[in-house]
Formats: sequence, C-alpha cells, structure tokens
Amino acid sequence: AQKVTQAQTEISVVEKEDVTLDCVYETRDTTYYLFWYKQPPSGELVFLIRRNSFDEQNEISGRYSWNFQKSTSSFNFTITASQVVDSAVYFCALKLYSGNTPLVFGKGTRLSVIA
Amino acid sequence: DAGVIQSPRHEVTEMGQEVTLRCKPISGHNSLFWYRQTMMRGLELLIYFNNNVPIDDSGMPEDRFSAKMPNASFSTLKIQPSEPRDSAVYFCASSLGSPEQFFGPGTRLTVL
Repeated sequence: AQKVTQAQTEISVVEKEDVTLDCVYETRDTTYYLFWYKQPPSGELVFLIRRNSFDEQNEISGRYSWNFQKSTSSFNFTITASQVVDSAVYFCALKLYSGNTPLVFGKGTRLSVIA
Repeated sequence: DAGVIQSPRHEVTEMGQEVTLRCKPISGHNSLFWYRQTMMRGLELLIYFNNNVPIDDSGMPEDRFSAKMPNASFSTLKIQPSEPRDSAVYFCASSLGSPEQFFGPGTRLTVL
C-alpha cells in the first residue's frame, strides 16, 4: 500500500519569507509519480507539478522549487519570497506508474502568509 | 474546452434524505475517480472507473454509498440515506492514459 505523510498541519509565515513544505512517501513500487496540488480558499484543486520516480532532478518554476530525494523518500516544496496569494492548503500525492490508478494524498499543509 | 463538470456545487439536505451527486468527465477521458475531502481524513478515494467499469470501490464507506457510470460521459454518486457524517466536499476527476487527473470544482455536501 502507498502512504503520503505531510507532517506539517499548519504553517504561518510573514510575507517575503521562504517556506518549505515537507512530504514523505511510502511505496513498495519502484516506479511511481509524485504530485503537488494547491487548494486555495475557493476550494478547487490546482495542479502544480508532477515528477517521475526515475527523475530526481530538482525543479524550479518562478518562486516555486521542488526537491525530490529517493534516498529519503521525500518530495519537498519550497516557496521563495512568499506572498499572501500563496495562502492555501497544499497537498502532496503519489500515484503508481502503471495504469489509470488513483492518487494517494497526504493530509495537506495549510499555509498562511501574513502581510 | 470544458473541464470536469460537477453538479450541484452545493447541496444542503436533511438526515435520511437521498443525495445524488453528478459528474461529467472531460470528453474522451476513459478513467473517472470520486474522492471525498473531510477535515479528519483529508482527500480519500471512494471509487474509480476505467472504461465505465468500476475497478476499486474499497473506499466506499458503506452500503449507503453507491456509484454508477452508465456511459463514458456521466457518473453519479448516490448516498441513501444520508447522515451528518457524510458532510464533505466530493470531487470528481478524470484522466486519459496520462498520470495527470483533472479535477472538477467539487460538490460541497451538508447533511443536517
């Protein structure tokens, strides 16, 4: 069975601070995908990124960056120079590589960015 | 292009009533997923279909819940009878062979 753990339930930062959201996963499969989704106060789920298990390159997209380390089964998400609009719940998720299989979500981390 | 469509967006009902949630996946997608989001349990899979066939319904809480996919463009999730603990946001998502799942806006259900 797969499991995703987001140990940080809530984080509060002051605007312009950097913040890292932790994600640790468990799976016996050697090939899988990892995702991050954002859920703003409006409630929809917004796809942010997908990584393959065989691609450990870190990725940067604007103020967002992701650090994937298979050795520690972690896929952490960093927001640089946080802004109030970053306030949301962020979910990490895992999906098996083969087939149309469901996502397994972590419990989410609620990020509040204070002006 | 239209994304995943869910209706209603909000539903308020009384305990014991039947509730039907509806989902229209993205045209051409062959997989459909129902997820439920609660404060206590987060986002969890209820059931998913491939090519209109239910593949895994182990997440369906109990016999009060049922889901159908009569054709490739429509699915329903029914709760009968509803209970206050069913109050949650129910998301539908669809995909076509790719890892990405495209989520609908969700239905917020409140059972009084």
